[in-house]
Amino acid sequence: AQKITQTQPGMFVQEKEAVTLDCTYDTSDPSYGLFWYKQPSSGEMIFLIYQGSYDQQNATEGRYSLNFQKARKSANLVISASQLGDSAMYFCAMREGRGTGNQFYFGTGTSLTVIP
Amino acid sequence: NAGVTQTPKFQVLKTGQSMTLQCAQDMNHEYMSWYRQDPGMGLRLIHYSVGAGITDQGEVPNGYNVSRSTTEDFPLRLLSAAPSQTSVYFCATSYSQRRQPQHFGDGTRLSIL
Repeated sequence: AQKITQTQPGMFVQEKEAVTLDCTYDTSDPSYGLFWYKQPSSGEMIFLIYQGSYDQQNATEGRYSLNFQKARKSANLVISASQLGDSAMYFCAMREGRGTGNQFYFGTGTSLTVIP
Repeated sequence: NAGVTQTPKFQVLKTGQSMTLQCAQDMNHEYMSWYRQDPGMGLRLIHYSVGAGITDQGEVPNGYNVSRSTTEDFPLRLLSAAPSQTSVYFCATSYSQRRQPQHFGDGTRLSIL
């Protein structure tokens, strides 16, 4: 089974509107971390936001927030007030607290296009 | 503070040639890893290391070797390049705790003819 599933290959959003990028995960480890990365067309990977499995509050970083629903094993990224510079690939990732080497698992990504 | 440095940025090889992709970090991170990125497939883990002298296989290790003799360096070796290894390769490093994100290098774009 896939550890991280991103079901939206491509998304479009109007500038200044909010958008939600979906991510579901699969783990039996009670201790894990969830991450979102942005990859613009220039290719670099940029860390956006982190959510821990034991964190009581949903994580927020500026215009980014993480809608964490633990029982549903989902960790959706919400981008508020979209800007043209938000157009990029977005990857969800998980890191388990135990198991082999604390390795990261990545989803296949969602391509976001912000329309002026 | 250079962070994660990958070299080269671009490389073209012929089938059967060997080469080494270099990755160096100056953040004293225990965890280092190599990914390949192909269209529609996200990032797939090739090999990773949790410390000097310790390496392990990821999802797609065939055709690649790694070693970790120092904390700073984690080279990836292609033993006999094949066209299927044409990809963008990323090195990423982090502290070992689960809260710690990975820091990525700028990537190496590799073409095998």
